[in-house]
Amino acid sequence: SQQGEEDPQALSIQEGENATMNCSYKTSINNLQWYRQNSGRGLVHLILIRSNEREKHSGRLRVTLDTSKKSSSLLITASRAADTASYFCATDVASGGSYIPTFGRGTSLIVHP
Amino acid sequence: DARVTQTPRDKVTEMGQEVTMRCQPILGHNTVFWYRQTMMQGLELLAYFRNRAPLDDSGMPKDRFSAEMPDATLATLKIQPSEPRDSAVYFCASGYGTGNGYTFGSGTRLTVV
Repeated sequence: SQQGEEDPQALSIQEGENATMNCSYKTSINNLQWYRQNSGRGLVHLILIRSNEREKHSGRLRVTLDTSKKSSSLLITASRAADTASYFCATDVASGGSYIPTFGRGTSLIVHP
Repeated sequence: DARVTQTPRDKVTEMGQEVTMRCQPILGHNTVFWYRQTMMQGLELLAYFRNRAPLDDSGMPKDRFSAEMPDATLATLKIQPSEPRDSAVYFCASGYGTGNGYTFGSGTRLTVV
């Protein structure tokens, strides 16, 4: 089973609107990362938030982390057509002395021009 | 920008044939992952190396899959014999430590017929 699950599975919005994606996970984490994947391409790292952080910003991206609820959200403000992609959260879970990054199934975001 | 290089980009092979996928991680990165992505299962971790030592390959079918790092500039994933259910996109990713995010290659799209 997946450690992290994104919600919603799909999101369709108009250019200029904000997009919010959520990630829930099951076990304690070291940190949580968000990645973007354009169709047919590899994943691109967007932002990492550590377990002792609650909020982080990078350009039009805002990530929050609530360890008590085991959840994170990714907000993309003023979306653009170029933001169309799948977005994944990845949690670093302790396993056998190392941290194993596990991915959810992703949220497919479509931004209409 | 530094990048993770994967070869081949696409591979079509017949069932039963051996398949070798190669990855050149970013120079200086000490952590290398192999993931498999399918529509049904999403991103699955197959193998994980740190400083060229395998730390976790529990997600990899041992009877047919093998992963190695003969040196710091090359990671390989081998399937022998290949089966149609191995058809997927295989990604290599590298990073340094656990708090910095990971860089993905463009993937190898494998089709076993």
